[in-house]
Amino acid sequence: SQKIEQNSEALNIQEGKTATLTCNYTNYSPAYLQWYRQDPGRGPVFLLLIRENEKEKRKERLKVTFDTTLKQSLFHITASQPADSATYLCATRGSSYKLIFGSGTRLLVRP
Amino acid sequence: GAGVSQSPRYKVAKRGQDVALRCDPISGHVSLFWYQQALGQGPEFLTYFQNEAQLDKSGLPSDRFFAERPEGSVSTLKIQRTQQEDSAVYLCASSLRRETGETQYFGPGTRLLVL
Repeated sequence: SQKIEQNSEALNIQEGKTATLTCNYTNYSPAYLQWYRQDPGRGPVFLLLIRENEKEKRKERLKVTFDTTLKQSLFHITASQPADSATYLCATRGSSYKLIFGSGTRLLVRP
Repeated sequence: GAGVSQSPRYKVAKRGQDVALRCDPISGHVSLFWYQQALGQGPEFLTYFQNEAQLDKSGLPSDRFFAERPEGSVSTLKIQRTQQEDSAVYLCASSLRRETGETQYFGPGTRLLVL
């Protein structure tokens, strides 16, 4: 069955550095991957979508890559800020338009 | 503009009690999804509506879980005879159309605690 894996260990970095989060998928070839941000007590908020024929997509300080050979997507936040501290979820489409999520990676940016 | 709203935000139930969770999607959104999120995990799909039709309920964990969207807007997720393992955050999401890759907009969730 479709499976999305994210590093469950929290990522702790210094303000100003680049945060890199990893999403790996197995057992299928997704047409796209989505990245969401989730703050405590809130629902996920959509950030970026990257399709299988796109190698990279950018939005302000965010960059997502999609490597179909490695079956991996990387999510980068450049010039990180304490306000970027949150849990970041990777997701892909399952049957009937539902999303299949990874377990999320918690990012902590220290001032 | 108004986003997806859910009520109640918090619900404490005694084991065996029935609960009803409400979702108000963004006006005009065709698709509506329910997800269950356990602590430290990503959301897991429960069920999907396209307008008033429930097209996929494969994620509902047991026949104690029931969802409806009778007029194609507001949806209710009902859990009968709640069990402790039902404790989780229940998220509702809506999207404008039913196309592949459509962004889903999530509500804040209802945190259910079953004692």
